[in-house]
Amino acid sequence: TQLLEQSPQFLSIQEGENLTVYCNSSSVFSSLQWYRQEPGEGPVLLVTVVTGGEVKKLKRLTFQFGDARKDSSLHITAAQPGDTGLYLCAGAGGADGLTFGKGTHLIIQP
Amino acid sequence: DSGVTQTPKHLITATGQRVTLRCSPRSGDLSVYWYQQSLDQGLQFLIQYYNGEERAKGNILERFSAQQFPDLHSELNLSSLELGDSALYFCASRAGGSETQYFGPGTRLLVL
Repeated sequence: TQLLEQSPQFLSIQEGENLTVYCNSSSVFSSLQWYRQEPGEGPVLLVTVVTGGEVKKLKRLTFQFGDARKDSSLHITAAQPGDTGLYLCAGAGGADGLTFGKGTHLIIQP
Repeated sequence: DSGVTQTPKHLITATGQRVTLRCSPRSGDLSVYWYQQSLDQGLQFLIQYYNGEERAKGNILERFSAQQFPDLHSELNLSSLELGDSALYFCASRAGGSETQYFGPGTRLLVL
């Protein structure tokens, strides 16, 4: 069974600060996806990383896929209140659907 | 808007009852996935269909079943409902050649 561990589980910081969220596994994934979910809504895809060592940027968000394709990180620069939400990483490559981490609940305080 | 639609948005029912959740995938997507999200378990994969055929099963209970119709919409049937089945149920669709899944807005099920 493939497992994804996300850390931290909860994070509350002030507007303007930087943060990093981690997604780790002992399994190799063919790709890893990051989603953001708001209360009562479905997860919205932010990015898919495929190649080991790949770095993708989405405005103030930087996503990195580990060289061995077992882990990933999401770095947010100068966080804003609009970044508040549940951030989920999900690994693909097994016979089943995506394997999700339990998520990081992020709160950015004005 | 992901292009995936789900109905109903909310559903309240009693224990022992049966409900059907509906999902329409993005235009052209042949794969449909169903997931359950609860506070303690997070998002759990239930079942996948591809072009009408069951492709993979996850943590789906025997009381639950699904199907995908020729027009590619899918239905998830939940029967003999228990309090613990209260959760958000999401479907997602995927285009061929990509591992990216696009999620619908979900159905919130409350079993009383």
